[in-house]
Amino acid sequence: GNSVTQMEGPVTLSEEAFLTINCTYTATGYPSLFWYVQYPGEGLQLLLKATKADDKGSNKGFEATYRKETTSFHLEKGSVQVSDSAVYFCALRRDNQGGKLIFGQGTELSVKP
Amino acid sequence: EAGVTQFPSHSVIEKGQTVTLRCDPISGHDNLYWYRRVMGKEIKFLLHFVKESKQDESGMPNNRFLAERTGGTYSTLKVQPAELEDSGVYFCASSRSGTGTDTQYFGPGTRLTVL
Repeated sequence: GNSVTQMEGPVTLSEEAFLTINCTYTATGYPSLFWYVQYPGEGLQLLLKATKADDKGSNKGFEATYRKETTSFHLEKGSVQVSDSAVYFCALRRDNQGGKLIFGQGTELSVKP
Repeated sequence: EAGVTQFPSHSVIEKGQTVTLRCDPISGHDNLYWYRRVMGKEIKFLLHFVKESKQDESGMPNNRFLAERTGGTYSTLKVQPAELEDSGVYFCASSRSGTGTDTQYFGPGTRLTVL
């Protein structure tokens, strides 16, 4: 079946450090891939997405590249800020299955000044 | 434009009681989804409405859960009777088109605690 696996958290970094949150997926066909972020006290927000192999999604300094050969969609940011502290969720969507998202377990990121 | 809203934000109930969660999607969004996150695990899909019709309810855990979307606007999710394992955060999301391929916008969630 379809599934998403993320690296476990919590991840604690100092401000301006480099961030990588690993995400791998299992799916038949060609899913769309997403990163959602949940800031404290808020709902999930779409951070970035990629809909086909080799696409790079980017937003707010975050990037992720759809790698079909390694079935991965790792999230990266070159210099994190305290305001990036949140829970990050990787997800996939099979576009011929009505749009439901399949999420990983989430990775909590804490950035210290 | 108002976002997806959910009510209540928190609910604490005793095992065996009934709870009803409400979701108001973004105006004009035909698709409405319910998801649940239990005890820090992955967020799991529960069901999907297109307007007032249930498109996919494959994620509903059992018949203690009943979702409705009368008139194709807001939706309710009723848990009756609640069990301890129902505790978690229930998220609602909505998207525009009937194909389900548009961006899903999430509400802040309802945190349900069953004692």
